[in-house]
Formats: sequence, structure tokens, C-alpha cells
Amino acid sequence: KQEVTQIPAALSVPEGENLVLNCSFTDSAIYNLQWFRQDPGKGLTSLLLIQSSQREQTSGRLNASLDKSSGRSTLYIAASQPGDSATYLCAVRPGIYGGSQGNLIFGKGTKLSVKP
Amino acid sequence: GAGVSQSPRYKVAKRGQDVALRCDPISGHVSLFWYQQALGQGPEFLTYFQNEAQLDKSGLPSDRFFAERPEGSVSTLKIQRTQQEDSAVYLCASSLASGGALGEQFFGPGTRLTVL
Repeated sequence: KQEVTQIPAALSVPEGENLVLNCSFTDSAIYNLQWFRQDPGKGLTSLLLIQSSQREQTSGRLNASLDKSSGRSTLYIAASQPGDSATYLCAVRPGIYGGSQGNLIFGKGTKLSVKP
Repeated sequence: GAGVSQSPRYKVAKRGQDVALRCDPISGHVSLFWYQQALGQGPEFLTYFQNEAQLDKSGLPSDRFFAERPEGSVSTLKIQRTQQEDSAVYLCASSLASGGALGEQFFGPGTRLTVL
């Protein structure tokens, strides 16, 4: 059974720091991996989608990497800003032999606080 | 609007009442997913539709939960005889592709259900 773990559960950094959020998954047979941002009381905003054949994706100050064989992904945030404060969720779409119809399996998230 | 919308945004129900939660996916999106998010947890899969066909309902926690998408667009998640453990945020997501090429999932703002 696929399990997704995110470390740390919470992180507080001063504005301007570069930071890395970690995500690990137990079964390397995945179709893709998606990083989301969730603000309090809100839905999920998709940040980056990495297909299983890709190693990384970049969007602005965000860079996500994927090492499928080791079951790891990282989300790198450059020059953090107070507006980046939110919970960041990692989710994998299991491969076809995982019985998946496309649903995502989520970690519990990392709550990020960027202090001015 | 271009995004996924859900209504109501908040619902308070007395234990034993029936509730109906609505999801309007992005126009043209074939796949639709329902997830349940408990406080402090990542979303967990409930059910999946491809057009009007419910292809996977393995995540529905009990037979009190029922979902439909009769015309392949709007979907309704119904919970009968609500219990306190049903209190959670219910998220709807849609994606453009179907079959084995499911892509990026876009989420609505969620419905926060509180059962008293």
C-alpha cells in the first residue's frame, strides 16, 4: 500500500531564506507526483506536477525534483516571502498496478511559516 | 469562473440529518474526484467518476455515502444519517484527461461539514 510522508511537519524561517520541503513515498511505481499549497480554510492550489519520466519541474521561485527509484521528492523555495506561508502537500498518483483509477495519495503536509 | 466550484462552502448538520454537497468541475473535464480531509490531515480519496460513470468508490467510508454525476458534469456527494465522525472538509477535484493519461488535478475550495 502506497504511503506518503512529509518531513518536517512544520517549519518556521525568516524572510529571504531558501528552504527545502521533503516528501517520501513507499512504492516507486507512480505515474506522477504533484505539489500543492493550501491556505487556511481554503482548497488546494496546484504548484507543480512532475511526470514519472521527469526529474524536475520549475515555476518561478519553486523547483520540485523527483527521484522515483528512491521514493523521494523535494520542493525547493528560493528567497522565501511571508506570502509563502501555507501548508504544502505532496501527492502521488500510483501506477496502474497499484489499482489506481487516478486518485492521488497525499502526505499530511508541511506547515510553513515565513517571518518578516 | 474557470475553476472548480463547490457549494455550500460551510454546512452544519445535526446528527442523523442527510446532507448533499455539490461540485461544479471545470468545463470539459472528464475526470472528477471527491476527497475527504480531516483536520490536520492530508485529503483522502473517496470516489472517482469518468464522465457519468463511477469507476471507483473504494474510498467511501460506509454505505451512508453516495455520489452521483448523472450528466457527466456536476456531481453531488450525499451523506445520509450524518455522524460526528463525518465532520471534515470535502474536496472536489477535476482533471482534463481520462483513462491512463490522467494529468493535473484542480481542486475546488471545499465544503466544511460540521456535524453536531
